[in-house]
Amino acid sequence: ETGVTQSPTHLIKTRGQQVTLRCSSQSGHNTVSWYQQALGQGPQFIFQYYREEENGRGNFPPRFSGLQFPNYSSELNVNALELDDSALYLCASSNGGIQETQYFGPGTRLLVL
Amino acid sequence: GENVEQHPSTLSVQEGDSAVIKCTYSDSASNYFPWYKQELGKGPQLIIDIRSNVGEKKDQRIAVTLNKTAKHFSLHITETQPEDSAVYFCAAVPTDSWGKLQFGAGTQVVVTP
Repeated sequence: ETGVTQSPTHLIKTRGQQVTLRCSSQSGHNTVSWYQQALGQGPQFIFQYYREEENGRGNFPPRFSGLQFPNYSSELNVNALELDDSALYLCASSNGGIQETQYFGPGTRLLVL
Repeated sequence: GENVEQHPSTLSVQEGDSAVIKCTYSDSASNYFPWYKQELGKGPQLIIDIRSNVGEKKDQRIAVTLNKTAKHFSLHITETQPEDSAVYFCAAVPTDSWGKLQFGAGTQVVVTP
């Protein structure tokens, strides 16, 4: 059974650019949640995808968008990057349901200059 | 929405001693409480979780207690070892939140030999 994987591991962008981060969910999982973790803080919920549909969203602007594919992998897209978007972006997969345990990937470290 | 407070922010213990981290939550509808361990440069790793129909759960040196009346839950690590050094996060999930994890701010645990 493979765990949650994310790519790339690190990324440097400049303000105003766009970025796409990718996540492969754990085998057998149909739900992916994305979190943003600023340095020294706990992860903040961005949104969740369940069976290719957005299933909940946190307090993030529309320039944060996502997709989930038929194989349940997922993408996080961020447009018009701002300096404050610099953070560790984590995805977590689970097997659906409201309280199913979420397993995290290693994250993508994004630096916006 | 849910708000989770975590204390202390840092905890230094001697190897072999016990460590206790406490969290409080605001939403009485929360009924799933996981704990994650995050090592430097890695994603959060689930170490133990508890659901609201259980008051205590133990897994080897790790235990979690839940007091639903007082809306607080705690992580107990006994016989601490240097490899227990990490940042620990508590989280709560309200029943109507589509599995959105609301994290505490984290506790940096340092175990000194």
